[in-house]
Amino acid sequence: SQTIHQWPATLVQPVGSPLSLECTVEGTSNPNLYWYRQAAGRGLQLLFYSVGIGQISSEVPQNLSASRPQDRQFILSSKKLLLSDSGFYLCAWRGVGTNQPQHFGDGTRLSIL
Amino acid sequence: SQQGEEDPQALSIQEGENATMNCSYKTSINNLQWYRQNSGRGLVHLILIRSNEREKHSGRLRVTLDTSKKSSSLLITASRAADTASYFCATEAAGNKLTFGGGTRVLVKP
Repeated sequence: SQTIHQWPATLVQPVGSPLSLECTVEGTSNPNLYWYRQAAGRGLQLLFYSVGIGQISSEVPQNLSASRPQDRQFILSSKKLLLSDSGFYLCAWRGVGTNQPQHFGDGTRLSIL
Repeated sequence: SQQGEEDPQALSIQEGENATMNCSYKTSINNLQWYRQNSGRGLVHLILIRSNEREKHSGRLRVTLDTSKKSSSLLITASRAADTASYFCATEAAGNKLTFGGGTRVLVKP
């Protein structure tokens, strides 16, 4: 069966520090991968998605970047965090083909001080 | 901008009652999906309904889709305290990307 791992679960970082959040998927090949951010009490905003190794699409201009160095690894990064980067970050994967659901990790709660 | 908008934003019911929430969207879609999110956790997929389907069931869940009105509803029958969560609709158009609504917070009181 497929599983998705996302870590860390919580992270407290000072303004201006770098960031690296990692997401890995097991049990599937060539998944579509997604990074979302969720503000408190709100819906999800798509940040990045990837359909293959090294292929990254950015949905909104921001202080973050994403990379996919391996088929089932998706990394969210920042060189210098801003206060506005605080939030709940979720990684998800989707199988190939039409009409497929997305499967989410448990998220990372990021607090910027 | 958000494609799907849920209504109501919050819902409080007694255990055993039914809960209904609605979702409206603006553009043509391939499918519409409903997800549940427990506090502080990731989203769990509930039901996917294709654009050529009108109704779908899964256990105590019933989803309808009216593409002419660009709306969907999620009905939870015989609710339980464990159904307390936020529920999100999400639409998928071209590109295998989902656009989420703001969610409905459901509280089921024992």
